[in-house]
Amino acid sequence: QKEVEQDPGPLSVPEGAIVSLNCTYSNSAFQYFMWYRQYSRKGPELLMYTYSSGNKEDGRFTAQVDKSSKYISLFIRDSQPSDSATYLCAMTWLRGAQKLVFGQGTRLTINP
Amino acid sequence: EAGVAQSPRYKIIEKRQSVAFWCNPISGHATLYWYQQILGQGPKLLIQFQNNGVVDDSQLPKDRFSAERLKGVDSTLKIQPAKLEDSAVYLCASSFAFPTRQGRGETQYFGPGTRLLVL
Repeated sequence: QKEVEQDPGPLSVPEGAIVSLNCTYSNSAFQYFMWYRQYSRKGPELLMYTYSSGNKEDGRFTAQVDKSSKYISLFIRDSQPSDSATYLCAMTWLRGAQKLVFGQGTRLTINP
Repeated sequence: EAGVAQSPRYKIIEKRQSVAFWCNPISGHATLYWYQQILGQGPKLLIQFQNNGVVDDSQLPKDRFSAERLKGVDSTLKIQPAKLEDSAVYLCASSFAFPTRQGRGETQYFGPGTRLLVL
């Protein structure tokens, strides 16, 4: 069993739709949770960062963490064609090395 | 602010050949990471440097992979000899924080990667 599981998709939705991306994990030591966005032939860029359980909102993006269920989500409201990319969840421990453990990524396409 | 620079962007080699990748991190970033991203998968950490010292190389195949970060700035990752399964994108990332710092996790900034194809 992988430490972090993410549905690879691909996911295709019309412009303006609400998108829900999810990851589950098995290691209860994870404390920091991130979402990275990766455009084709580019490196990942940090999109959202959350600590422990709860919600965080940034513009059209909302990140949710449910540590009791070992489940994290990223919601994109009013999706735009420019949101088309691969979304990677990543997580790490509170202390020690900053070793990120990534999910395999979900490929998202927003259709105009 | 300039981002993380990597070269070359693409490389095609025959199996059993050698290859080297170069990374120049963001100025002032003490921590440097090398990741391997196989097609359809998330990045996997190969090695992490703090200045010029190795913090974590537990997932580096040391029989064929080596990395160094001389003077605590630029870094090179080498594969010798390459295997077919080494075909992947090799990503370099850097961050400000020292890995033992407590509190907030630190943002890692990624370069564009080097695409390696081993034939």
